[in-house]
Amino acid sequence: ETGVTQTPRHLVMGMTNKKSLKCEQHLGHNAMYWYKQSAKKPLELMFVYNFKEQTENNSVPSRFSPECPNSSHLFLHLHTLQPEDSALYLCASSPHTLRSSGVGDTQYFGPGTRLTVL
Amino acid sequence: GESVGLHLPTLSVQEGDNSIINCAYSNSASDYFIWYKQESGKGPQFIIDIRSNMDKRQGQRVTVLLNKTVKHLSLQIAATQPGDSAVYFCAERTGDKLIFGTGTRLQVFP
Repeated sequence: ETGVTQTPRHLVMGMTNKKSLKCEQHLGHNAMYWYKQSAKKPLELMFVYNFKEQTENNSVPSRFSPECPNSSHLFLHLHTLQPEDSALYLCASSPHTLRSSGVGDTQYFGPGTRLTVL
Repeated sequence: GESVGLHLPTLSVQEGDNSIINCAYSNSASDYFIWYKQESGKGPQFIIDIRSNMDKRQGQRVTVLLNKTVKHLSLQIAATQPGDSAVYFCAERTGDKLIFGTGTRLQVFP
């Protein structure tokens, strides 16, 4: 395993529900990421956190709300989602962000949460 | 705009043969490239990376080749095994972002 865990692995929710995705990394990394993976589309970066501070919001709708209480944990709070938000949501971590390190820090991914919005 | 793409969406190979997965990138300023493998139901798994000051890098059964002249990246897998069946995609670093390709599915037949 990569040292990045995500829960739940599968989630089905209605458009009026509120749910949260959780990510935890056991690698001692300082940077964490949320990605969205839809069928036949490249990975889409959503948010970047570096030392618990959000450094990137890639024009993500406000119905997705991230939270990073510490460098090891990352949450994605979901509310009033749309069916087109159904996708695999992946969390990743790296020792540093690309911007801060200046070198090619590899991102390690969790297994993802398969989200279905009805 | 920037793009990372793969020439073949699906590649079928026989077990024991060598596999070559290709990737084209459009930004000549990209300085770092990564290959990931994603098996069904799992997240992307790092395979190998290469910096732009290199042309070739070898790992265990895998080799990445970088041709900056034509902006082309390839992943070679030697003696392909059934466990290599997965989607493979490349990523390029441009500035402070990683840009991912859509992926190539590798199918290994006995």
